[in-house]
Amino acid sequence: GAVVSQHPSRVICKSGTSVKIECRSLDFQATTMFWYRQFPKQSLMLMATSNEGSKATYEQGVEKDKFLINHASLTLSTLTVTSAHPEDSSFYICSAIGSGDSYEQYFGPGTRLTVT
Amino acid sequence: GQQLNQSPQSMFIQEGEDVSMNCTSSSIFNTWLWYKQEPGEGPVLLIALYKAGELTSNGRLTAQFGITRKDSFLNISASIPSDVGIYFCAGQLPASNTGKLIFGQGTTLQVKP
Repeated sequence: GAVVSQHPSRVICKSGTSVKIECRSLDFQATTMFWYRQFPKQSLMLMATSNEGSKATYEQGVEKDKFLINHASLTLSTLTVTSAHPEDSSFYICSAIGSGDSYEQYFGPGTRLTVT
Repeated sequence: GQQLNQSPQSMFIQEGEDVSMNCTSSSIFNTWLWYKQEPGEGPVLLIALYKAGELTSNGRLTAQFGITRKDSFLNISASIPSDVGIYFCAGQLPASNTGKLIFGQGTTLQVKP
């Protein structure tokens, strides 16, 4: 089946620093990747849609200069949280869609970010 | 924005019981997906539905794409402790050509051995 990995699984950083999270599709080429944020006991909130080789499309209310997304290849997308603050602490999850007709999203295992 | 109303919000059942949860919307969807998420993990795809009226099974799980295209249900038969988790429905709107999904609020399932 389609496997998506994320790295790191957990990260703790100090306020004001930047953190990069990687999302990789391991056994398929992902034409589109999505980045979500999830707070405890809540549903997934879509942050942005990322297509290989083009700029990401951000959802309303998501600061594109704070959450930098790069989709440099068909198997890798990165999310960089710049100048992190404690309120950015959350569970960040990516998902990917392959190049076929199916729109089934396959999710990574998530990254727990804690900003101190 | 678009919303999916998922119910029930939580369920606490005895092992062996059957479970049913559903999602409804005022909008028509092209695709319905059901995911399960365990604590600290990403959601895992359980069942995908593409046609109105479609009924699909995956082991003890059965899901249906409503005829009106505005709803879907997921049934779990003979529940076991490892069924514990949060179940999300997700739908794709006809206007979306990016694969963007709208998620329900989730149903938290607890199973008592």
